[in-house]
Amino acid sequence: GQQVMQIPQYQHVQEGEDFTTYCNSSTTLSNIQWYKQRPGGHPVFLIQLVKSGEVKKQKRLTFQFGEAKKNSSLHITATQTTDVGTYFCAGIRDDKIIFGKGTRLHILP
Amino acid sequence: NAGVTQTPKFRVLKTGQSMTLLCAQDMNHEYMYWYRQDPGMGLRLIHYSVGEGTTAKGEVPDGYNVSRLKKQNFLLGLESAAPSQTSVYFCASSYPDSVQPQHFGDGTRLSIL
Repeated sequence: GQQVMQIPQYQHVQEGEDFTTYCNSSTTLSNIQWYKQRPGGHPVFLIQLVKSGEVKKQKRLTFQFGEAKKNSSLHITATQTTDVGTYFCAGIRDDKIIFGKGTRLHILP
Repeated sequence: NAGVTQTPKFRVLKTGQSMTLLCAQDMNHEYMYWYRQDPGMGLRLIHYSVGEGTTAKGEVPDGYNVSRLKKQNFLLGLESAAPSQTSVYFCASSYPDSVQPQHFGDGTRLSIL
């Protein structure tokens, strides 16, 4: 069945360093969504990528969708303490959505 | 707008007890979902509904039942709770299209002793 793998599972970075999480699907996706979940909170939608090779930016966050529409990445430039949380990708195919297991980001002051 | 509201927020049950988790949304969304979140497992879909009166199984439906009698409400039932069902349960809703962003509730933390 369709699988969405996310790496790494955990990441510790010094405040100000960059951070990247990767999402890989076993099958071609129609689109991919990214969510952020703060500690103790609920997932919140960040962005959706639809087109092959698409790149979108939100301030310090850059999202990419691979040319083959099977992988995606989220890159945060110069992390801040407010970036702490778990970042989930969610792959959509055939009207079904599958969440990755998430990458938990810890920021060291 | 309250968005997606889940009740209760916390609950402790004994093995074998039953309970119902309630999810209510005020965004007139057609689609509603129930997920469970366990450490290291991400979000796993239990059941979902694409409209009033419809339900469908997700990835991990065993041990749960759902009902969508009203468009704004989606109920998740545990008929005979088991310790393996200890988890955080999230409800979500979206417009009628799987590509639409999902709006999540604050979650229900459920412990089964």
